[in-house]
Amino acid sequence: ETGVTQSPTHLIKTRGQQVTLRCSSQSGHNTVSWYQQALGQGPQFIFQYYREEENGRGNFPPRFSGLQFPNYSSELNVNALELDDSALYLCASSLGPLHSNQPQHFGDGTRLSIL
Amino acid sequence: QKEVEQNSGPLSVPEGAIASLNCTYSDRGSQSFFWYRQYSGKSPELIMFIYSNGDKEDGRFTAQLNKASQYVSLLIRDSQPSDSATYLCAVWWFGNEKLTFGTGTRLTIIP
Repeated sequence: ETGVTQSPTHLIKTRGQQVTLRCSSQSGHNTVSWYQQALGQGPQFIFQYYREEENGRGNFPPRFSGLQFPNYSSELNVNALELDDSALYLCASSLGPLHSNQPQHFGDGTRLSIL
Repeated sequence: QKEVEQNSGPLSVPEGAIASLNCTYSDRGSQSFFWYRQYSGKSPELIMFIYSNGDKEDGRFTAQLNKASQYVSLLIRDSQPSDSATYLCAVWWFGNEKLTFGTGTRLTIIP
């Protein structure tokens, strides 16, 4: 069984740039959620995708956007990067959307640093 | 505002002892509860989840849920140095449609 995979593992960008992070869900999982984890904090929910549509969103501005593809893989796009966007970005997949109460399994994350 | 609170620690426990980690949450509603372990520089790893009041055991781990008092605990028996990590509590509320995490408790097992 293939777990959740994310790419790249590390990324360095400068303020104002744009970034795309990628996630492949665990085999058989159709739902992908994205989280931002700042140093010393718990993960913060960004949004979730189910059947290629956004299915829930946390308190993040519109410059955080995403996509889900027919094979259930997903992308997180962040425009106009700010210093505070420096964090570990985590992708989690599950068997169903959050309202069906399924445990989520995380990928290894992408460490994004903004200079 | 639905919130999840954890003591950030660090919590130091001798090897072989029981480590007790606690988590409180702000809203009653219908919920599910998850414990994740996170090693430094790594992603969270699901340890246990619990939906109903009472205890749920899995190997050396026991999750305890008390909805009336709005807390959930994780007990680790026979603590090992490899248990040293940050433990994250997460709560899902029906209708809130997202998993809300606490800030995590850093646990150190002393050999």
